[in-house]
Amino acid sequence: EIVLTQSPGTLSLSPGERATLSCRASQSVSSSYLAWYQQKPGQAPRLLIYGASSRATGIPGRFSGSGSGTDFTLTISRLEPEDFAVYYCQQYGSSLLTFGGGTKVEIK
Amino acid sequence: QVQLRESAPGQVKPSQTLSLTCTVSGGSISSSAYCWGWLRQPPGKGLEWIGSFCSSGSTYYNPSLKSRVTISVDTSQNQLSLKLSSVTAADTAVYYCAKDAWGYGMDVWGQGTTVTVSS
Repeated sequence: EIVLTQSPGTLSLSPGERATLSCRASQSVSSSYLAWYQQKPGQAPRLLIYGASSRATGIPGRFSGSGSGTDFTLTISRLEPEDFAVYYCQQYGSSLLTFGGGTKVEIK
Repeated sequence: QVQLRESAPGQVKPSQTLSLTCTVSGGSISSSAYCWGWLRQPPGKGLEWIGSFCSSGSTYYNPSLKSRVTISVDTSQNQLSLKLSSVTAADTAVYYCAKDAWGYGMDVWGQGTTVTVSS
């Protein structure tokens, strides 16, 4: 089973700042089957990024994903008030899917 | 567009079987392009994948839950179902169903249903 470790656990930033979230895998993630989700309190998760770097439909350009192998990054170029939320990375292994523990982006 | 809605059993007693359904509207659950998954989130915790039914005919389960889980599809009702047996308090969570282009992310989610295991 591939374990995903997200860091930091909490990121305290101000609107307009850049957010950099890390997701590290215990083994190489095949074919960059790595996705990122945003979740706000009381809501279902929302797909942001798939294939490590492709934005999902309707996702603003300030969200970008990068990385390969075992190290992946989600970057929010300039935080908007609605971006303060919890972010999860997720990978598809061989018939098995796992999530990271999440990074909370909070207002400083 | 595709929408998902989970049923709402609310409370289940310990040792009983939790049963949920997810109704798909705006699309066919038989579409060969997708899988349909169940996930859960205990209070204050992260997301856990339970398993997925793929329209190719394959079903995948989280190994940690596999012995207690059955996921199936009723194509006539356009519904996905989840059965989780021998529940304990640790199974208390918000349960979600999701449409999954396996490998390319879960792009449609139900609103989630809260299940509490309590006597």
